[in-house]
Amino acid sequence: NAGVMQNPRHLVRRRGQEARLRCSPMKGHSHVYWYRQLPEEGLKFMVYLQKENIIDESGMPKERFSAEFPKEGPSILRIQQVVRGDSAAYFCASSPAPGARDRTDTQYFGPGTRLTVL
Amino acid sequence: AQTVTQSQPEMSVQEAETVTLSCTYDTSENNYYLFWYKQPPSRQMILVIRQEAYKQQNATENRFSVNFQKAAKSFSLEISDSQLGDTAMYFCAFREDSGGGADGLTFGKGTHLIIQP
Repeated sequence: NAGVMQNPRHLVRRRGQEARLRCSPMKGHSHVYWYRQLPEEGLKFMVYLQKENIIDESGMPKERFSAEFPKEGPSILRIQQVVRGDSAAYFCASSPAPGARDRTDTQYFGPGTRLTVL
Repeated sequence: AQTVTQSQPEMSVQEAETVTLSCTYDTSENNYYLFWYKQPPSRQMILVIRQEAYKQQNATENRFSVNFQKAAKSFSLEISDSQLGDTAMYFCAFREDSGGGADGLTFGKGTHLIIQP
């Protein structure tokens, strides 16, 4: 029973390039969340998605950041024209749908992607 | 907006001792969930324990238990018989129970717990 998968685990980009981070939720989970962790900080919520829908993007920067969760395939967090301040660990979490047998709505986290912008 | 406060940036105890990590939160909601997550040096976020606000009974998971004081908005984590493998960052987190769906977690800044041999 595989957990949440994220790839790549480490990503190095130069300023101005694009970064694409992938997340595959746990089997049976239809909700995906993205969080960002800056050095020495806790995680900050960015966006919450269901298949083909963005439910809450209140934590997402207005420019350069986008997220999707297509009908088929992993969820993608995309950062265009990266800057040094984007360097952080990006975590994905998944949870079952409301009404599922596991009603705790607990979020299970992937191992994270560490983005370094040179 | 909800806030979560962890007032202890770092704590250090001897192996086998009991340690308590504090967490307070601020919300106007009545229904919500509280969590403690552990982040070891591998940086993986691992769920330690979970509490539903409507439950009066404190949650326990083996050596881990919580002291949930709803009126005081306090949610402390107690680790008994501490082990070297408990060394990690510990994050307290809050989530509303919006009824119709799930919401993002609000995290505290974390407590770095060091277990000394």
